[in-house]
Amino acid sequence: QKEVEQDPGPLSVPEGAIVSLNCTYSNSAFQYFMWYRQYSRKGPELLMYTYSSGNKEDGRFTAQVDKSSKYISLFIRDSQPSDSATYLCAMSPYYGGSQGNLIFGKGTKLSVKP
Amino acid sequence: DTEVTQTPKHLVMGMTNKKSLKCEQHMGHRAMYWYKQKAKKPPELMFVYSYEKLSINESVPSRFSPECPNSSLLNLHLHALQPEDSALYLCASSLTHQETQYFGPGTRLLVL
Repeated sequence: QKEVEQDPGPLSVPEGAIVSLNCTYSNSAFQYFMWYRQYSRKGPELLMYTYSSGNKEDGRFTAQVDKSSKYISLFIRDSQPSDSATYLCAMSPYYGGSQGNLIFGKGTKLSVKP
Repeated sequence: DTEVTQTPKHLVMGMTNKKSLKCEQHMGHRAMYWYKQKAKKPPELMFVYSYEKLSINESVPSRFSPECPNSSLLNLHLHALQPEDSALYLCASSLTHQETQYFGPGTRLLVL
């Protein structure tokens, strides 16, 4: 079993839809959870990070962590064509990934159609 | 200045060439990273520098040689690469090795 599982998609939604992106993990030591957005042929851009369980909201984005289920989600409200990108979850036992060992999911490719 | 810059954006090289990738940040970050990303795959960690010292080498072949001349600069020297080394090479930095990582735009490398 891989440490982090993420459905690669592709996921296609109409503009204005609520998008739900998810990752599951197996390592109960993970405490820090990040979501990166990567546009085609660009580097990953940090969207959100959360610590332990709970929700965090930033504009149209909400990150949710359920440590009891080892499940994290990123919700995008009122999705826009500019949200079309690959979304990577990443996690670590330590803030930011001690010694660089962020564990990434495979990424979900999202397409928002006008 | 809140970004990581990388040059060149694109690079095409032959298997006998020697080239270098450059990464720069002026955020005062003391940890810098090199990642390799193949198409439709997540980034794979190659090297970590912490306070200008190499702290992690993820069993990367010696044809890749990192260098950290100062706290703002990170280079990746390339020599005798193989076509399978073609990928997007990403640089990242963080305040320390235990802080959130910020990525540069990457250098897209093609080895012929």
